[in-house]
Amino acid sequence: DQQVKQNSPSLSVQEGRISILNCDYTNSMFDYFLWYKKYPAEGPTFLISISSIKDKNEDGRFTVFLNKSAKHLSLHIVPSQPGDSAVYFCAASAWGETSGSRLTFGEGTQLTVNP
Amino acid sequence: DAGVIQSPRHEVTEMGQEVTLRCKPISGHDYLFWYRQTMMRGLELLIYFNNNVPIDDSGMPEDRFSAKMPNASFSTLKIQPSEPRDSAVYFCASSSDTNTEAFFGQGTRLTVV
Repeated sequence: DQQVKQNSPSLSVQEGRISILNCDYTNSMFDYFLWYKKYPAEGPTFLISISSIKDKNEDGRFTVFLNKSAKHLSLHIVPSQPGDSAVYFCAASAWGETSGSRLTFGEGTQLTVNP
Repeated sequence: DAGVIQSPRHEVTEMGQEVTLRCKPISGHDYLFWYRQTMMRGLELLIYFNNNVPIDDSGMPEDRFSAKMPNASFSTLKIQPSEPRDSAVYFCASSSDTNTEAFFGQGTRLTVV
């Protein structure tokens, strides 16, 4: 069972516009959510996170929104740049688990930002 | 720190052969994770260790897969015998109790022909 789902395998946007990547989860025990970015031939790198006590977290051009009642989160990138083209993974964890960062990942969304 | 180091970066092997993937976590991290990336399922957690002890191996697909962590600075993931459906990118990651995110290595691309 896929507890974290990214239903859009790909997304294409124009440079300067907003990119919105979506993620849904099913496990109500998840209380910490992260976005990772992955370039080809590299490992995923941490981008931004949000705790379940918040509904928004912003870091420069990147903002993550959390809607707990809908079990949905989204990543907004404004303005989008060609260098943002990568695969974006949504991930979730539950602090009640024994590990501090045992992450459950989604399938990933390939973002392409066209110049 | 050089980050999480994985070797080899690429591995091509014939079906039935044994494959061993290696990982050196970030020094001081006491959690180590092995993930597999596939198109259909994204990043799947295979197994993770805490202080060199396997905590959860429920993600290991079959008995053909095994993982060890003999010390805090080294872990292996072994597949024996390998099959074409094992072809994927395998990532190792590490973290500490004070981190909420895991740090990933560059991955090993495994191709079984």
